Amino acid sequence: GQNIDQPTEMTATEGAIVQINCTYQTSGFNGLFWYQQHAGEAPTFLSYNVLDGLEEKGRFSSFLSRSKGYSYLLLKELQMKDSASYLCAVKDSNYQLIWGAGTKLIIKP
Amino acid sequence: ETGVTQTPRHLVMGMTNKKSLKCEQHLGHNAMYWYKQSAKKPLELMFVYSLEERVENNSVPSRFSPECPNSSHLFLHLHTLQPEDSALYLCASSQHGPGTGGDTQYFGPGTRLTVL
Repeated sequence: GQNIDQPTEMTATEGAIVQINCTYQTSGFNGLFWYQQHAGEAPTFLSYNVLDGLEEKGRFSSFLSRSKGYSYLLLKELQMKDSASYLCAVKDSNYQLIWGAGTKLIIKP
Repeated sequence: ETGVTQTPRHLVMGMTNKKSLKCEQHLGHNAMYWYKQSAKKPLELMFVYSLEERVENNSVPSRFSPECPNSSHLFLHLHTLQPEDSALYLCASSQHGPGTGGDTQYFGPGTRLTVL
């Protein structure tokens, strides 16, 4: 079967750095997405990786290793507003989006 | 105007009621999606429409009935639901339909549905 694994919950301190991991086993690969979802709100697009390596966008970076079936989202200089769930999703060989259950990130002062 | 809107934001209904969820996208996209989001579970794709034609129906019970009258509007008609159908129902749109790699989906805020 197809599977996306992410930690259920993580806690970090304001101003620090946190890395949220995502591992996947899918039938084929056509890209990996990260979304942010604040409680009661819409998921919003953060990043898309289709080639190996690191993509940086301000305080957020996303890394992909296709050979390892692994990605991470790196958040720097954490702010209280970064408290949210972070969803990892992979497009398989049929371009179906397979979703992880999300990682709830709690930021403490 | 926000990209994808959904109404109502909250809905409580009995098992014998009939109600409809509405989604509208203002992005000029060609594909629209319905998802179900339950606590601590991955998003479940329910239906996909591309250019107003249904292209996917992921074994969803017939008590959920989608309608896509045009590329900007999507409805989910609900009837004789069960308590286990209580969840957040999310609508999304994308420029192209399934079959493209980097096509990003943009989500609405969802309808929180409670079935009594």
